[in-house]
Amino acid sequence: TQLLEQSPQFLSIQEGENLTVYCNSSSVFSSLQWYRQEPGEGPVLLVTVVTGGEVKKLKRLTFQFGDARKDSSLHITAAQPGDTGLYLCAGTSGTYKYIFGTGTRLKVLA
Amino acid sequence: DVKVTQSSRYLVKRTGEKVFLECVQDMDHENMFWYRQDPGLGLRLIYFSYDVKMKEKGDIPEGYSVSREKKERFSLILESASTNQTSMYLCASSDRTYNEQFFGPGTRLTVL
Repeated sequence: TQLLEQSPQFLSIQEGENLTVYCNSSSVFSSLQWYRQEPGEGPVLLVTVVTGGEVKKLKRLTFQFGDARKDSSLHITAAQPGDTGLYLCAGTSGTYKYIFGTGTRLKVLA
Repeated sequence: DVKVTQSSRYLVKRTGEKVFLECVQDMDHENMFWYRQDPGLGLRLIYFSYDVKMKEKGDIPEGYSVSREKKERFSLILESASTNQTSMYLCASSDRTYNEQFFGPGTRLTVL
């Protein structure tokens, strides 16, 4: 069974701090997506990574796909209250099956 | 921008009622999905469809059925709602090139 484990599960930090969220699996994925979900809303796609070692930046967010395409990380620089939410990673091997991570609930305090 | 819309944001139904949840996407995506999301259980796939009139069971199809008569529309049907189907229901679509899933805003269903 494919699993995607995210860590940490919960994170509460002060505005301006940096943080990193990890997404790990023993399986190889052809692509991996990161989403942010706010309470009562659907997940919003932030980025897709497809190449081993790939790094993508979205303003203060930096996403990296592991060389072996089994893991990924999301780094947020100078977190802001607007970054608060549930962060989900999801991997796919090119079929219709998407494996979702367990989620990281981030709270950024002003 | 990809847009996935769901027919209702909030729905309250009684046990035994038939419930229809509709999802429409405007990006000509081949694939469409229905998930439910529950605290501590994450997202679980109910059904998906890779083409019109084609459907495949996901991980938890019991108590649900689906219909895809048009490419842009994917419906989830609860034949006889039960309290354990109270949940957040999320529809998603994806293309076959990039495999990126785009989600709708969700329907919070409460079955009394």
